Amino acid sequence: EIVMTQSPATLSVSPGERATLSCRASQSVSSNLAWYQQKPGQAPRLLIYGASTRATGIPARFSGSGSGTEFTLTISSLQSEDFAVYYCQQYNNWYTFGQGTKLEIK
Amino acid sequence: EVQLVESGGGLVQPGGSLRLSCAASGFTFSSYWMHWVRQAPGKGLVWVSRINSDGSSTSYADSVKGRFTISRDNAKNTLYLQMNSLRAEDTAVYYCARDSATADSFDYWGQGTLVTVSS
Repeated sequence: EIVMTQSPATLSVSPGERATLSCRASQSVSSNLAWYQQKPGQAPRLLIYGASTRATGIPARFSGSGSGTEFTLTISSLQSEDFAVYYCQQYNNWYTFGQGTKLEIK
Repeated sequence: EVQLVESGGGLVQPGGSLRLSCAASGFTFSSYWMHWVRQAPGKGLVWVSRINSDGSSTSYADSVKGRFTISRDNAKNTLYLQMNSLRAEDTAVYYCARDSATADSFDYWGQGTLVTVSS
């Protein structure tokens, strides 16, 4: 099983600032990597697939990068609605999720 | 508008059974692979099962293999998850999710249904 490790577990950032979230795979997943956002009591929402392609309707402030084993989600200027938990997911070899990064208001 | 609506969750005793449903609308259901993903209280997301578009191929996580069965009725635009021999560790919110047509990511999710396994 491919293990996905996200860091940090919690990230405290002020509104308007940039947030950088990391995700590492235990073996190469090529670019078969997605990012999801989940708010309390809600279902996850797809943000990024193919490591760097924004899903339909996702604002341009969200960007993804990386390939192989190292990936990054960047939110360029945090809005109040962006504070949530973010999960990475590999779909190169079945499906596994990272444990999540909680993005909180500083 | 794509909509996925789960139902069928509830409280069940260990060893019991439950069938979840996911009603799909707003897209051509029969053209998409579908998944079940679960989330234990306060925990992360875990993939459970997958079914192809015509129902001829299914896959399961090792933790549920032999106990859960995924199926679909394309005439009714509905996805199912039959859960047998339930254990306390199966307690979770269960989401159905659509497999993206362009990648294997999950592009639409239902709101989830809570399954609690407890005596």
